[in-house]
Amino acid sequence: EAGVTQFPSHSVIEKGQTVTLRCDPISGHDNLYWYRRVMGKEIKFLLHFVKESKQDESGMPNNRFLAERTGGTYSTLKVQPAELEDSGVYFCASSQALAHSSYNEQFFGPGTRLTVL
Amino acid sequence: AQSVTQPDIHITVSEGASLELRCNYSYGATPYLFWYVQSPGQGLQLLLKYFSGDTLVQGIKGFEAEFKRSQSSFNLRKPSVHWSDAAEYFCAVGRTSYGKLTFGQGTILTVHP
Repeated sequence: EAGVTQFPSHSVIEKGQTVTLRCDPISGHDNLYWYRRVMGKEIKFLLHFVKESKQDESGMPNNRFLAERTGGTYSTLKVQPAELEDSGVYFCASSQALAHSSYNEQFFGPGTRLTVL
Repeated sequence: AQSVTQPDIHITVSEGASLELRCNYSYGATPYLFWYVQSPGQGLQLLLKYFSGDTLVQGIKGFEAEFKRSQSSFNLRKPSVHWSDAAEYFCAVGRTSYGKLTFGQGTILTVHP
């Protein structure tokens, strides 16, 4: 079974440009999460989808970030326009549908390293 | 707000030595607690988790962790480290079993032969 995949693995852009990151969750996983790690800092939560709906977007830093999940499958995270402080590693994770009194492990992708110059 | 502290940014041990990675959390109730490991080029992999019950939990790769409520700690241990354990380790907490995770800053483990 394929794990969580992310594309691209690396992206280098200039300040003011637009970048779109893609995440393909494990097939059948309803929950999809985005996290970000800025250099030297902790991994921080950005948002959580349940199928195509945003369950929790409390971690999104500002309106330059737009996340979508078309048809409840793959997700994209667009940064427009990118700023220097957006540099970091963006992780995607997915988990199965919530079941009562059970834990659904979050499986993480390898991340996309974004560098904004 | 919940928070996680991993006081050690970098730890170096010799192969075969024991290991303890520290994790302290701040949270009003008993959180869901996790340890993840990230090897270079890989995603984060879950080592173990604690929700309730026995405060000593066993995980994969020979790791264990102990939840101590009085100290708000969830330290990760391994009795004998292997060179393949070199990686970055993250402690995390969650309010639920399915929601967002709050991570510590990570501890980089270097293993000397």
